[in-house]
Amino acid sequence: DVKVTQSSRYLVKRTGEKVFLECVQDMDHENMFWYRQDPGLGLRLIYFSYDVKMKEKGDIPEGYSVSREKKERFSLILESASTNQTSMYLCASSFGTSANEQFFGPGTRLTVL
Amino acid sequence: GEDVEQSLFLSVREGDSSVINCTYTDSSSTYLYWYKQEPGAGLQLLTYIFSNMDMKQDQRLTVLLNKKDKHLSLRIADTQTGDSAIYFCAERGAGFQKLVFGTGTRLLVSP
Repeated sequence: DVKVTQSSRYLVKRTGEKVFLECVQDMDHENMFWYRQDPGLGLRLIYFSYDVKMKEKGDIPEGYSVSREKKERFSLILESASTNQTSMYLCASSFGTSANEQFFGPGTRLTVL
Repeated sequence: GEDVEQSLFLSVREGDSSVINCTYTDSSSTYLYWYKQEPGAGLQLLTYIFSNMDMKQDQRLTVLLNKKDKHLSLRIADTQTGDSAIYFCAERGAGFQKLVFGTGTRLLVSP
């Protein structure tokens, strides 16, 4: 089975802290994605990557950066966390095939105080 | 840009059929998806349909696609309490790897 794991299920940070969210997949997928999920807004794409060291901005990249040094790992970085970044963060991965099913991790619920 | 819309809530009784609706704006959509999210979990793909199809059936699930009206629906037959979850519609445009998700519909199934 495809497995996408995220480093933490719950995280509490203070305003201004630098925050790292890690995602690892074990199926040699080319594509990896970071979303945030907020009630009534669905999933919004923050960044995605279609290859090692490649990244593309999604719909809401402001306040975030990403790193993909290895194929299996995609990190989301909040350079200076703010309260409006309190959210559920979901990582996903997929092959570069036509159907493009995305497999999701369990999510990290981040609270910024 | 692309937009995908869903109603936020649906409540049904156990044993009834549920129909969750979705509209999208991108006429170049190639694939359309239905994902399910159970409480405290990530999203799990339920089914998908290619844009040149108008129907797909998989056990209790039936997907209908009206490409002219850009309308997608998911019908769950004999709905069970275990079907209570949030259901997301998503679409993928031509030539892109990213998906655009709807807001999600929370399905509540009562005994």
